[in-house]
Amino acid sequence: QITLKESGPTLVKPTQTLTLTCTFSGFSLSTSGVGVGWIRQPPGKALEWLALIYWDDDKRYSPSLKSRLTITKDTSKNQVVLTMTNMDPVDTATYYCAHKRVATRALLFDYWGQGTLVTVSS
Amino acid sequence: EIVMTQSPATLSVSPGERATLSCRASQSVSSNLAWYQQKPGQAPRLLIYGASTRATGIPARFSGSGSGTEFTLTISSLQSEDFAVYYCQQYNNWPPESTFGQGTKLEIK
Repeated sequence: QITLKESGPTLVKPTQTLTLTCTFSGFSLSTSGVGVGWIRQPPGKALEWLALIYWDDDKRYSPSLKSRLTITKDTSKNQVVLTMTNMDPVDTATYYCAHKRVATRALLFDYWGQGTLVTVSS
Repeated sequence: EIVMTQSPATLSVSPGERATLSCRASQSVSSNLAWYQQKPGQAPRLLIYGASTRATGIPARFSGSGSGTEFTLTISSLQSEDFAVYYCQQYNNWPPESTFGQGTKLEIK
């Protein structure tokens, strides 16, 4: 059974760096084909893909946010970490981590965490 | 960036009736199109991928069609649990990238 859970601060100040951790079970990021991504959703708005890391440590980022994002993995801990620099109130959103469907390198997500709401405010 | 446009923004349908949701891509995405369902307070759930393949455990009343730039999600006979927001997503194979539509809210008429 695949499960994912996001953790991190619920409130950050403008200009600060956000660090979110995705802890998962039911799969290994050392297995060929596996990937974990991050997607966010501002309140009442649409989904936005942010980043993804593959089992082979290949990393992909949203072009519009690439300069602010870093994604890393800790295979031994079954964790993926996303950092986003220079946070702004418009970054207020629920942040989800999700498991990429194994059969493809494409950004297709078949299992999702419950999400964590991050508010950016001074 | 490929822009995904969904219509209508809100669709009102009675239980038992058919619902048809549309998604248009600003350029061809071949069949690299997925549909997700999201209920209030919950994470999205993958319904359809490859434009027409149902994900594991998805009921047969959900069907997807289309290719290139025009796609449709059809729910053949609406159940109470189907009222939710639906998002389409394009996912390029290479280089890997993805964009979502703005969503269609399916509400009870």
